Amino acid sequence: AQTVTQSQPEMSVQEAETVTLSCTYDTSESDYYLFWYKQPPSRQMILVIRQEAYKQQNATENRFSVNFQKAAKSFSLKISDSQLGDAAMYFCAYREWETSGSRLTFGEGTQLTVNP
Amino acid sequence: NAGVMQNPRHLVRRRGQEARLRCSPMKGHSHVYWYRQLPEEGLKFMVYLQKENIIDESGMPKERFSAEFPKEGPSILRIQQVVRGDSAAYFCASSPPRSYTDTQYFGPGTRLTVL
Repeated sequence: AQTVTQSQPEMSVQEAETVTLSCTYDTSESDYYLFWYKQPPSRQMILVIRQEAYKQQNATENRFSVNFQKAAKSFSLKISDSQLGDAAMYFCAYREWETSGSRLTFGEGTQLTVNP
Repeated sequence: NAGVMQNPRHLVRRRGQEARLRCSPMKGHSHVYWYRQLPEEGLKFMVYLQKENIIDESGMPKERFSAEFPKEGPSILRIQQVVRGDSAAYFCASSPPRSYTDTQYFGPGTRLTVL
C-alpha cells in the first residue's frame, strides 16, 4: 500500500522569506500523481500544486514550487516570499495513475505559521 | 460556476442517532469521493462513487456507514447509530469523467459532533 510521510508537524517562517516543507512517499508504481493541498483555518481543502511523475520538470505555481526527486521518492514544497495568508496546514497527497479515477492518500500534515 | 457543495456544514447528533451528509459535485463532475478527517490527523479515504455505482468502498467501516450517489440528486453519506468516535470532519471531493488526468476538488466539509 502507498504511504505518505510528512516528518515536520510544524514549521514557521518570517513574512517575505522562503520555507520548504518535506514529503516522502512509498510506492511500487512508476506512474502516479503528487499534490500539495492547503487547509486554512476555514478547513477548506485548496489545491496548491500538482506533479505528474512522468514529468522531469518540477511544477511551479507563482510563489509555490516543488522539488520532485523520483528516485528518492521525495516531493518537497517551497514557498517563496511567504505571506500571512500562507499560514495553514499543508498536506502532501499521492494518487495512482488509473484510467477511471483513484483515491488520494494523504500525509499527516505540516502546520505552517507565518510570523509578521 | 459553483464548486463542490456540502451540507450541512455543522451537524450535531446524540449517540445512537443517524447522520446524513450531502454532497453536490461540481457541474459536469460524475465522480465523487468521501474522506474523513479525525482531529489532528490527515484525511483518510472512505469511498469512491460514480452515478448509481460504488466503485471503491475499501475505506468504509464495515458497519453503520453507507454511501450512495443516485442518478438524480446529491451524494449521501449515511452514518447509523453514531458513536463519539464518529466525530470528525467529512469531506467530499469531485472530479470529471475520464478523471485519470484530473484533480479532485474539495467541498468545505461537514463537521460532525456526536454528544
